[in-house]
Amino acid sequence: QSALTQPASVSGSPGQSITISCTGTSSDVGSYNLVSWYQHHPGKAPKLMIYEVNKRPSGVSTRFSGSKSGNTASVTISGLQAEDEADYYCCSYAGSRTPYVFGTGTKVTVL
Amino acid sequence: EVQLLESGGGLVQPGGSLRLSCASSGLTFGRYAMSWVRQAPGKGLEWLSGISGSGGSTHYADSVKGRFTISRDNSKNTLHLQMNSLRAEDTAVYYCAKDGGALVDTVSLDYWGQGTLVTVSP
Repeated sequence: QSALTQPASVSGSPGQSITISCTGTSSDVGSYNLVSWYQHHPGKAPKLMIYEVNKRPSGVSTRFSGSKSGNTASVTISGLQAEDEADYYCCSYAGSRTPYVFGTGTKVTVL
Repeated sequence: EVQLLESGGGLVQPGGSLRLSCASSGLTFGRYAMSWVRQAPGKGLEWLSGISGSGGSTHYADSVKGRFTISRDNSKNTLHLQMNSLRAEDTAVYYCAKDGGALVDTVSLDYWGQGTLVTVSP
């Protein structure tokens, strides 16, 4: 099972919106509405930001939204803030044999 | 409050073994599947293994299948990862994570530990 493909880096100015893509295949992203997104600040535990493509856990800012089209999922961060600077990873269900596969990760920089 | 605390990391020689543990509190442990995820230096997150809440089903990534074994002791609220035949490329921070449901099928890893570092080196 290969890692899902994400852009290595995305940047934006405070207040802007950015979108991170996550491209898989018809065996993972394209087959299931089971995509999640994680925010990871170095040295800390990853944090679940989006699950089931577009649902936000309690306590996660409404500035984070998720979507999916075909084999590509995306997360959009609106009203970019300095605290959003982190690494972001998508994760998709990929079937019962090897259920979870992460994306390659995207470093978000707030200019 | 849900808390997960990994232990057991350290320095081990290539070919050696190590057993990681993840102690949990603040949840009904046996109701939830659990996973191990790692991050090698300078690399991204890699899902390694998952186990259902009952312990009845286990899953592995190809990179560790046959070398790593996941298990859980629901009476002690603890998750384990037995790692054998360790290689230099297994050097990483290892995280345990709680799943949102009883099976390894939600992709909602909603609580994570702080991680434990495993270094495989002569």
